[in-house]
Amino acid sequence: KNEVEQSPQNLTAQEGEFITINCSYSVGISALHWLQQHPGGGIVSLFMLSSGKKKHGRLIATINIQEKHSSLHITASHPRDSAVYICAGAGSYQLTFGKGTKLSVIP
Amino acid sequence: NAGVTQTPKFRVLKTGQSMTLLCAQDMNHEYMYWYRQDPGMGLRLIHYSVGEGTTAKGEVPDGYNVSRLKKQNFLLGLESAAPSQTSVYFCASSYSLPQVLAKNIQYFGAGTRLSVL
Repeated sequence: KNEVEQSPQNLTAQEGEFITINCSYSVGISALHWLQQHPGGGIVSLFMLSSGKKKHGRLIATINIQEKHSSLHITASHPRDSAVYICAGAGSYQLTFGKGTKLSVIP
Repeated sequence: NAGVTQTPKFRVLKTGQSMTLLCAQDMNHEYMYWYRQDPGMGLRLIHYSVGEGTTAKGEVPDGYNVSRLKKQNFLLGLESAAPSQTSVYFCASSYSLPQVLAKNIQYFGAGTRLSVL
């Protein structure tokens, strides 16, 4: 069974701090998705990656295939980044989701 | 372009009642999914569909049925609701399978908050 573990579960940061959220996954997962769930509940996809690194604005996602580990970084964090960040491993037909990391950025 | 639309947004049921959740997408996606989200747990796949007229079981299918009669619609049914089905339900769609690198991003609906008393 595919498994995805995220850490930390909760994270509080001061505005402007550099943030890292980690995700480890099991054998059988070929790609990693990062998603953001807004306080209102809506879910949007941020990245999909199977190797290397991707950047979008202040968000950077990296993946190390050998170590089966991915990280999501947020540079110069802002209160509007407050959300739950979810990593999900891609298997054959479905995504296996982590439990999420709740990020709160304080002004 | 509405994306993925779920109806209703909220519903309260009594134990034993039935209901159908509707998911509609206007992106011509082949793949559609129903998830449930519970506190302290990750999203879990209930059922999915790889095309019109097809459905398959996911991780937690018991107590639910689905139908995909039209490509744009994916219905989730609860025949006899139970308190354990109190949850937030999300529908999603994608152009390709999760492991296919191109166009496999899943687009989510806004969710349906269901309470079963």
